[in-house]
Amino acid sequence: DTEVTQTPKHLVMGMTNKKSLKCEQHMGHRAMYWYKQKAKKPPELMFVYSYEKLSINESVPSRFSPECPNSSLLNLHLHALQPEDSALYLCASSQGGTGQGVLSNQPQHFGDGTRLSIL
Amino acid sequence: ELKVEQNPLFLSMQEGKNYTIYCNYSTTSDRLYWYRQDPGKSLESLFVLLSNGAVKQEGRLMASLDTKARLSTLHITAAVHDLSATYFCAVDIRGTYKYIFGTGTRLKVLA
Repeated sequence: DTEVTQTPKHLVMGMTNKKSLKCEQHMGHRAMYWYKQKAKKPPELMFVYSYEKLSINESVPSRFSPECPNSSLLNLHLHALQPEDSALYLCASSQGGTGQGVLSNQPQHFGDGTRLSIL
Repeated sequence: ELKVEQNPLFLSMQEGKNYTIYCNYSTTSDRLYWYRQDPGKSLESLFVLLSNGAVKQEGRLMASLDTKARLSTLHITAAVHDLSATYFCAVDIRGTYKYIFGTGTRLKVLA
């Protein structure tokens, strides 16, 4: 069982729909991530939140909108997606830093992902 | 541009054989991670290598890190079918939360 929970597991939506992906962790991790993974490809970083603040946005199109309501939750709001956005969306968390520097010597813990299909 | 390359990209091997997967990266980073991904599943952390010369072993898998050569290896000893999966290495950019994954190696162990 994974310690990072993602919902829903599968999502099919039209290009005009609005939906949200949710991610939750209760490990006390302070860094949370969204990745996009296409079939037979490595995960591609989209967003990173550190201490509930957006730390990294990898030039992701605005049709993807991340949100971190609190230290345990991470959302990804989807609107007007394109067929090429169909992929596995993975959430991850890691211990994070002390607030005074980045502690990056911990692995990321991944959720099971949401498989997204855009019609 | 930071690159993390793995080879081979695809590996088919017989049970009982040994093989090594290589991970080369182009930036100065002394933290390297290995993950396993089963088809349709998430990523599972295997090893965290934190310094030059680090070696870690778990069962039939052994990982090592040479930061001077910017090279990590994942050695498989006496492969079994259960090891069939895709293996990714990843590095993080020092001072950031940015992780870059390697291209991945799809391993298939034939019974």
